[in-house]
Amino acid sequence: EIVLTQSPGTLSLSPGERATLSCRASQSVPSSYLAWYQQKPGQAPRLLIYGASSRATGIPDRFSGSGSGTDFTLTISRLEPEDFAVYYCQLYDSSPPWWTFGQGTTLEI
Amino acid sequence: QVQLVQSGAEVKKPGSSVKVSCKASEDTFRRYPISWVRQAPGQGLEWMGKIIPILGIVNDAQEVQGRVTIIADKSTSTVYMELSSLRSEDTAVYYCARNQPPYDAAFDVWGQGTTVIVSA
Repeated sequence: EIVLTQSPGTLSLSPGERATLSCRASQSVPSSYLAWYQQKPGQAPRLLIYGASSRATGIPDRFSGSGSGTDFTLTISRLEPEDFAVYYCQLYDSSPPWWTFGQGTTLEI
Repeated sequence: QVQLVQSGAEVKKPGSSVKVSCKASEDTFRRYPISWVRQAPGQGLEWMGKIIPILGIVNDAQEVQGRVTIIADKSTSTVYMELSSLRSEDTAVYYCARNQPPYDAAFDVWGQGTTVIVSA
């Protein structure tokens, strides 16, 4: 069973700053199967990045994803007030079909 | 507009069952798998299972295997998730979400969530 570990647990930054969130898998995984989500209080998660680096529909270009193998990164280039939320990485494992999430990173002001 | 619309909040006794619905657009129902993901209060996200609605093929997570039933009603384009033998740890917000092609690896559309509280 592949485990996703996100770091840091909490990231305290200010609007305009750059945010770098990490997601590490316990073994090498296909980049195609790695996604990132944003979740605000009381709301469903929103897909930001799929395939490790492709932005989902309507996602601003200040959000970018990178990485391969076991190490993946979500970068927010210039934080806007609405970006302060919890971020999850997520992996699909095809055999057997199974989806898992990291424990989340809280991005706070 | 792509939407997944879920049923309302439920309060259940331990040992009972809960059935949550997720109504999809006809296009989504016919073309995409739909998964169920839950989130306990203050916790992270947990995948529970997936169905290909038009075929009725289901995969479910080991953690809830034997207690979760996922079915699809073609006449109403609705997917249902039933969880039995409820315990307090099943208190959570339950989401349905569409699996994104081509790999079904990510979830690109989410329902609004259904709160299920298990309490004596």
